[in-house]
Amino acid sequence: GAVVSQHPSWVICKSGTSVKIECRSLDFQATTMFWYRQFPKQSLMLMATSNEGSKATYEQGVEKDKFLINHASLTLSTLTVTSAHPEDSSFYICSASTLWGGSAYEQYFGPGTRLTVT
Amino acid sequence: GENVEQHPSTLSVQEGDSAVIKCTYSDSASNYFPWYKQELGKRPQLIIDIRSNVGEKKDQRIAVTLNKTAKHFSLHITETQPEDSAVYFCAARIYNFNKFYFGSGTKLNVKP
Repeated sequence: GAVVSQHPSWVICKSGTSVKIECRSLDFQATTMFWYRQFPKQSLMLMATSNEGSKATYEQGVEKDKFLINHASLTLSTLTVTSAHPEDSSFYICSASTLWGGSAYEQYFGPGTRLTVT
Repeated sequence: GENVEQHPSTLSVQEGDSAVIKCTYSDSASNYFPWYKQELGKRPQLIIDIRSNVGEKKDQRIAVTLNKTAKHFSLHITETQPEDSAVYFCAARIYNFNKFYFGSGTKLNVKP
């Protein structure tokens, strides 16, 4: 149980284009989803927290107009990197948590998306 | 916001020895402390966690201790094996604010 998928697993895009990453909870309803960014050999940096049906809460320093997050349903959240630049190249990981069943404390991670902007 | 510090950044031990990784946190509202193991290019995997109403938790070769007064918690791995080699992250969750904050990570190398 508690499986989170992420799509695509890797993507290469040209500078100036936009890229959408999907995060899905496959066997549970995710009341909250988190988006992280991880640079090579570094820790996970929380970008934003989103609750279903609400606007995402962005961490300080994260541009909300550049990283658009939508959490339209209890099983799907999307991250769109708009007007991507090479410095946006990174490993993006989503996670999901639920208030029902299981542990309301845990977060379940997706497999991550490797974004390369050329 | 919460600030989680983790030490050491790298740790090399001989197979069979013990490994200890330490973390401190700053926000007394944090009430959940998970530890994750991450292999290169993969998602973090929860290996053990502890809630703020518990001082110690053990699962086979892995244990976590929490000192709420001092605001620090530690991961203990006994009888280390080469397959324990990975990067380990501690984290703290402020439940009311629904956020996780991660430590900087420890690269553990277990030499056969």
